[in-house]
Amino acid sequence: GQNIDQPTEMTATEGAIVQINCTYQTSGFNGLFWYQQHAGEAPTFLSYNVLDGLEEKGRFSSFLSRSKGYSYLLLKELQMKDSASYLCAFMDSNYQLIWGAGTKLIIKP
Amino acid sequence: IAGITQAPTSQILAAGRRMTLRCTQDMRHNAMYWYRQDLGLGLRLIHYSNTAGTTGKGEVPDGYSVSRANTDDFPLTLASAVPSQTSVYFCASSEVAGQTDTQYFGPGTRLTVL
Repeated sequence: GQNIDQPTEMTATEGAIVQINCTYQTSGFNGLFWYQQHAGEAPTFLSYNVLDGLEEKGRFSSFLSRSKGYSYLLLKELQMKDSASYLCAFMDSNYQLIWGAGTKLIIKP
Repeated sequence: IAGITQAPTSQILAAGRRMTLRCTQDMRHNAMYWYRQDLGLGLRLIHYSNTAGTTGKGEVPDGYSVSRANTDDFPLTLASAVPSQTSVYFCASSEVAGQTDTQYFGPGTRLTVL
């Protein structure tokens, strides 16, 4: 079967670093996506990984290990505006996205 | 307009009523999707369309229907609404189906069925 899991909620301090983990199981894999969703708004694309390793985009980086079924999103120099839910999703063999329930990140001053 | 628009923004509906949620995109994307988002659950795919004139069923299609008469519009219809269809509905699009293209989301419709 297919499943995907990420923590429900995390708390971090402004200016710090936080890592949000995502684990998945699937027989067919076409990449791993991370989206950001502010409360009451639409999800917006952050990153895509299909090969193992780290992809860096400014303050945000995303890592993938296909053999372990594992990804993480790393957020550096946290700002209050980073308070949001972070959704991970893998693309299955039919090119459909299977979504985690999201991790609510709370930033404290 | 730029991107994806959805209407209405929110709606309260009596059970048993028919309702159509509208979705329009101006990016000339071939593929479009309807998701529902419920607290504690991931986004779940209801229906999708790989190109104008074709539609397919997602993970949770029961009670919903869609049509894709042209590239820009992808309405979602609830023929006879039930309380379990209370949710936030997101329309999304991607440039091409069957590839690892990024999906772009509309602002959502918050639907309450009483």
